[in-house]
Amino acid sequence: RKEVEQDPGPFNVPEGATVAFNCTYSNSASQSFFWYRQDCRKEPKLLMSVYSSGNEDGRFTAQLNRASQYISLLIRDSKLSDSATYLCVVRERAGGTSYGKLTFGQGTILTVHP
Amino acid sequence: DAGVIQSPRHEVTEMGQEVTLRCKPISGHNSLFWYRQTMMRGLELLIYFNNNVPIDDSGMPEDRFSAKMPNASFSTLKIQPSEPRDSAVYFCASRPSGLNAGSNEKLFFGSGTQLSVL
Repeated sequence: RKEVEQDPGPFNVPEGATVAFNCTYSNSASQSFFWYRQDCRKEPKLLMSVYSSGNEDGRFTAQLNRASQYISLLIRDSKLSDSATYLCVVRERAGGTSYGKLTFGQGTILTVHP
Repeated sequence: DAGVIQSPRHEVTEMGQEVTLRCKPISGHNSLFWYRQTMMRGLELLIYFNNNVPIDDSGMPEDRFSAKMPNASFSTLKIQPSEPRDSAVYFCASRPSGLNAGSNEKLFFGSGTQLSVL
């Protein structure tokens, strides 16, 4: 089983749609969670961190369920510019022999069309 | 700040040749990472340096791969000899803190080197 698993998609949605991505992780000792965005032929960039209580940033909402080891990203009112690959990222707890390694999912491809 | 700088942007080489990828992290960043990205395997961590010292090289595929960080502003990833299966995008990333980085501290990625081994 992969450490971080995502539905690769692709998701093809019309402008204005709401779309949700899911991610599961296998290491119960994971401490921190993130969503990164990667545009075609570009580098990944941090979209948002994911907090235990859930958090929102404009049209983007991230949620974490530690019991189920599950993270989600919801995008409301999709824009053409949201087309990208969304990477789920998990950081293990630092301490002892662990330095807090980041593990990336393979990404979910989103295409928003007119 | 210029961000993380990688060179070259593209590299095309023949099987068996030596390839050297270069990275200049953001000034003041203590941690540097080399990642490889392919369609099949996604983003994989190859090696992590903290204060110029390799901390985790468990992701380095085999002896053909080596990485160095002679000082805080420069790192290289070398493949010798290169093989077609090494074709991928190689990213370098840095972050401000070292081993005790804040839990939500983000990575800053360079633009990557697209490597094609024929």
